[in-house]
Amino acid sequence: EDQVTQSPEALRLQEGESSSLNCSYTVSGLRGLFWYRQDPGKGPEFLFTLYSAGEEKEKERLKATLTKKESFLHITAPKPEDSATYLCAFRRSGNTPLVFGKGTRLSVIA
Amino acid sequence: DAGVIQSPRHEVTEMGQEVTLRCKPISGHNSLFWYRQTMMRGLELLIYFNNNVPIDDSGMPEDRFSAKMPNASFSTLKIQPSEPRDSAVYFCASSLTGTGEQYFGPGTRLTVT
Repeated sequence: EDQVTQSPEALRLQEGESSSLNCSYTVSGLRGLFWYRQDPGKGPEFLFTLYSAGEEKEKERLKATLTKKESFLHITAPKPEDSATYLCAFRRSGNTPLVFGKGTRLSVIA
Repeated sequence: DAGVIQSPRHEVTEMGQEVTLRCKPISGHNSLFWYRQTMMRGLELLIYFNNNVPIDDSGMPEDRFSAKMPNASFSTLKIQPSEPRDSAVYFCASSLTGTGEQYFGPGTRLTVT
């Protein structure tokens, strides 16, 4: 069965302490791996789409990478405003909807 | 563009009452998705539409739930009768078919007492 697992469930960092969030997936016919950010009381906000192993994308302090089994969201020198829940999702072949993981709750402490 | 619009933002109702959630997708998007989010189960897809046609409603929990999309700019999710276990945040999202990137509304927080 296709599935996605995110780890850790929660992560607490000091401001400036770089780290990575993991998204492991088992999908036949992957047509995209997506990262979203969700702030409390809001809907998920699209960050990145990765399509093939070896691909990387960056936005400010965030960099997403993709291998054949995992995706990582690297956070470099995080700030308190990076605190949020980060969700990954995959899309199978064809015009199918996204399947989301349960997310990693990130807290960055000043 | 105003983004995906959902109403109401909060809904508190008593068990047994009918609840209707509303969504206006981003103009030009032709796919629309309804999700439910809880702490226990995360973000679950309930139903999605392409070009106003329901494609997959296998995520709808039971017959008490129904969804419609009468035109490209409006969709409703109805729960009748509502139960306490329906309490959750319900999100609507839209996308351009083929891109995969979905854009979410702010959600409706439903509390059934």
